[in-house]
Amino acid sequence: QQPVQSPQAVILREGEDAVINCSSSKALYSVHWYRQKHGEAPVFLMILLKGGEQKGHEKISASFNEKKQQSSLYLTASQLSYSGTYFCGTEHGIQGGKLIFGQGTELSVKP
Amino acid sequence: EAGVAQSPRYKIIEKRQSVAFWCNPISGHATLYWYQQILGQGPKLLIQFQNNGVVDDSQLPKDRFSAERLKGVDSTLKIQPAKLEDSAVYLCASSASSSWTSGNQPQHFGDGTRLSIL
Repeated sequence: QQPVQSPQAVILREGEDAVINCSSSKALYSVHWYRQKHGEAPVFLMILLKGGEQKGHEKISASFNEKKQQSSLYLTASQLSYSGTYFCGTEHGIQGGKLIFGQGTELSVKP
Repeated sequence: EAGVAQSPRYKIIEKRQSVAFWCNPISGHATLYWYQQILGQGPKLLIQFQNNGVVDDSQLPKDRFSAERLKGVDSTLKIQPAKLEDSAVYLCASSASSSWTSGNQPQHFGDGTRLSIL
């Protein structure tokens, strides 16, 4: 039931792009994306809702394929500050925001 | 706005002892979540409150864990007795979502309590 994220880890140079994927075996109602730096709290990045609505930061984009039960997070022109672990959280019905988080994707951006 | 406040930040106890964590959510947020995050894993939901009522506690080990949110604002999570496997970061989050809507509001996390069991 836990969503599967890929890749598990990625190393980039500043300015390069990355895509992080999140796949679920159950129908999705919404997908949330968070970034967590070591020893810190997860920070909200993006919400994608069934029907196409998105909420999030301007510099981050994401897609939500309801039929394939997948979401992808696109990080373009990466900066050092993008380093951290990215988690997707999936919601499978109207449950007041109950999320099941994936195992995370560790992103390292090098100068 | 003030963020989610948690205390303590760190706690070290011996197995079989008890421990309690406190969380004060963002003002006005009806929904409060407690998560357990084991090193290298994603957060795992333990319990979800809507105001002072429990919405979901299906993954809370009820033989040793308990949580309450008596006045619908701050919340405490207790472990008694602790086991070695409880070593983790305990995160509290709040959101403006309500139990009868979808998760169309972001969750705001506190800094967490890092619990070490000796």
